[in-house]
Amino acid sequence: KAGVTQTPRYLIKTRGQQVTLSCSPISGHRSVSWYQQTPGQGLQFLFEYFSETQRNKGNFPGRFSGRQFSNSRSEMNVSTLELGDSALYLCASVAGGEGEQYFGPGTRLTVT
Amino acid sequence: GQQLNQSPQSMFIQEGEDVSMNCTSSSIFNTWLWYKQDPGEGPVLLIALYKAGELTSNGRLTAQFGITRKDSFLNISASIPSDVGIYFCAGQGNNQGGKLIFGQGTELSVKP
Repeated sequence: KAGVTQTPRYLIKTRGQQVTLSCSPISGHRSVSWYQQTPGQGLQFLFEYFSETQRNKGNFPGRFSGRQFSNSRSEMNVSTLELGDSALYLCASVAGGEGEQYFGPGTRLTVT
Repeated sequence: GQQLNQSPQSMFIQEGEDVSMNCTSSSIFNTWLWYKQDPGEGPVLLIALYKAGELTSNGRLTAQFGITRKDSFLNISASIPSDVGIYFCAGQGNNQGGKLIFGQGTELSVKP
């Protein structure tokens, strides 16, 4: 069974631009959670989508948004990028509502 | 953002030694998960714990869900060089869906 895939793996953007990251969960998994990982703040929860609905949201500004499609693939968007948005963005796939989360390799975003 | 208290922050040990790390929280969790992350990769799930007092093993790894539901520990026996990496604990509260709260990580170095 294929694991969680994320594209792109690396991205360089300029302040003020926007970016869209993509995540394909494990086949059959209906829930996707997104996390931001930085050296200073560690792993922080962004939001979770289950059956195309946002079910939970972390403490991030409205510039961070996401969505989930009917095939469970998910995208997250960050608008008006700031230098502090430079991070590894990880998505995790869950079979059902709760429990074991399986992470993708992440997208390394650098904002210059 | 919210984080669990994970200790120690780093460990430098000799190959063959046993390792112990733990996480504590001010909140009760229903699930504890332990992950290992290698540089440039996403976290890999090692052990999942679902019940207070539960003791679960995965090869040389053993983890326990504390009876207060506010702590967990991970032991690695007879460490080998490939155990090098950063280990994270993660907790999931009641009715939190796919939201995990992570510890700061324990960086493990193993000297051959």
